[in-house]
Amino acid sequence: DTAVSQTPKYLVTQMGNDKSIKCEQNLGHDTMYWYKQDSKKFLKIMFSYNNKELIINETVPNRFSPKSPDKAHLNLHINSLELGDSAVYFCASSQIQQGQNNEQFFGPGTRLTVL
Amino acid sequence: GNSVTQMEGPVTLSEEAFLTINCTYTATGYPSLFWYVQYPGEGLQLLLKATKADDKGSNKGFEATYRKETTSFHLEKGSVQVSDSAVYFCALSDLLNTGNQFYFGTGTSLTVIP
Repeated sequence: DTAVSQTPKYLVTQMGNDKSIKCEQNLGHDTMYWYKQDSKKFLKIMFSYNNKELIINETVPNRFSPKSPDKAHLNLHINSLELGDSAVYFCASSQIQQGQNNEQFFGPGTRLTVL
Repeated sequence: GNSVTQMEGPVTLSEEAFLTINCTYTATGYPSLFWYVQYPGEGLQLLLKATKADDKGSNKGFEATYRKETTSFHLEKGSVQVSDSAVYFCALSDLLNTGNQFYFGTGTSLTVIP
């Protein structure tokens, strides 16, 4: 019944490794997002996909690559992990409708620790 | 451009105290305004929202009124409980100008002590 789910919840890895975080939403939404939250709780938008197409691509290193196999999934792949990538990553989804108040629904987060 | 400014925390209150968390915004259009809450170890949850000027959003005893004249959306609660301890985020969405991109404030951490 979880609306937006992410796996894994915790991810501990060594510098230089490549890792992926998966996100799935069962709300039928057409838009999905990835956010990064740092240790001070500051939230930064990274990417947004609408109907599998990239619509927001903020300034993030190109080591981060989102992939959307279908409308219900948006995965985040990170190459050559660095210490500064340690953070909590949140997936979110929403339905874009003109004239509608479109809240975003967030997943539980993935805490990434790079050693 | 669009932006949100929140009062800095952390905020520590005794149980049953009155809470105000200030939020002001800058927007080019007519945004919708939101308050999200993040409990420890969890994702963000929508607390309340308002879509036009003078609208009041309310939920779980929290209220916020969309004030266009002061570009503010301050969060208030008359009597906080220990269970309200969380981080609170003010956000705006300007559908017509920037799609459904959300602009979040920096978050305000609230701790309520018994």
